[in-house]
Amino acid sequence: EAGVAQSPRYKIIEKRQSVAFWCNPISGHATLYWYQQILGQGPKLLIQFQNNGVVDDSQLPKDRFSAERLKGVDSTLKIQPAKLEDSAVYLCASSYEQGRGAFFGQGTRLTVV
Amino acid sequence: QKEVEQNSGPLSVPEGAIASLNCTYSDRGSQSFFWYRQYSGKSPELIMFIYSNGDKEDGRFTAQLNKASQYVSLLIRDSQPSDSATYLCAGPAGGTSYGKLTFGQGTILTVHP
Repeated sequence: EAGVAQSPRYKIIEKRQSVAFWCNPISGHATLYWYQQILGQGPKLLIQFQNNGVVDDSQLPKDRFSAERLKGVDSTLKIQPAKLEDSAVYLCASSYEQGRGAFFGQGTRLTVV
Repeated sequence: QKEVEQNSGPLSVPEGAIASLNCTYSDRGSQSFFWYRQYSGKSPELIMFIYSNGDKEDGRFTAQLNKASQYVSLLIRDSQPSDSATYLCAGPAGGTSYGKLTFGQGTILTVHP
C-alpha cells in the first residue's frame, strides 16, 4: 500500500514570496491533516479535512495560509506571503476515518530567508 | 491548558531498562490516544494506539490509559539504542471537536549502551 506522498521535499524562498505544497493521501483515507512542525516542538494542526470539507482550521493563519482539497483526494497548502517564522516542516497526514490514527508523509522542509 | 501535554524530558535510560513516557490531556471526551515515534529528520510514525482504559501490550511496548485521571503513558521494556527518538502523544478531541488530532510537544528519549 502506497503511503502519503508529499512534494516538494525541500523549499527555500525569500520572505514575502509565495509557496505551495502538495499532498496525496493514502487511497481510501477520508480524513486529511496538514501540520506545521517547528524544530523541537510537536506538530501543530493547521487544518483538517473530512473528504473535501473543512473540519477544523482554527489554527490556520488565514491572512496568509490557505488550503483546499478538491474532489476529496489531493490537497494543496499555500502560503502567501511567507514570513521568516513560517520556516518549519509541513507535514501531511491521512486517516481512514476521524478518531483513528493518522499516517504521515515525509514532509516538506520550508526555509524562508 | 494545552489539550495534550507531555513532560518534555529529555529522558535518558541505560540499554535494557524500562523507559516510561507520560502524557496528560484536558478533554474528558477524548476516546482514544496514539503514540508516535519520530527519529531526527524524519516524520512521525504511529507505533501504538489505545481506546479503552487499562493496558495494551505490543511486543516491548505497553500503552496505559487512565480516563479518570486523564493520563496516558507508554512503557518501553528492554530499551535499545535504536529506541532513541522523540515520542509524541496524540489524542483526538471529543465533543464538537471530534477527530481533531492534537499532539503533545514530545519527549526526547536517549537509550545509552
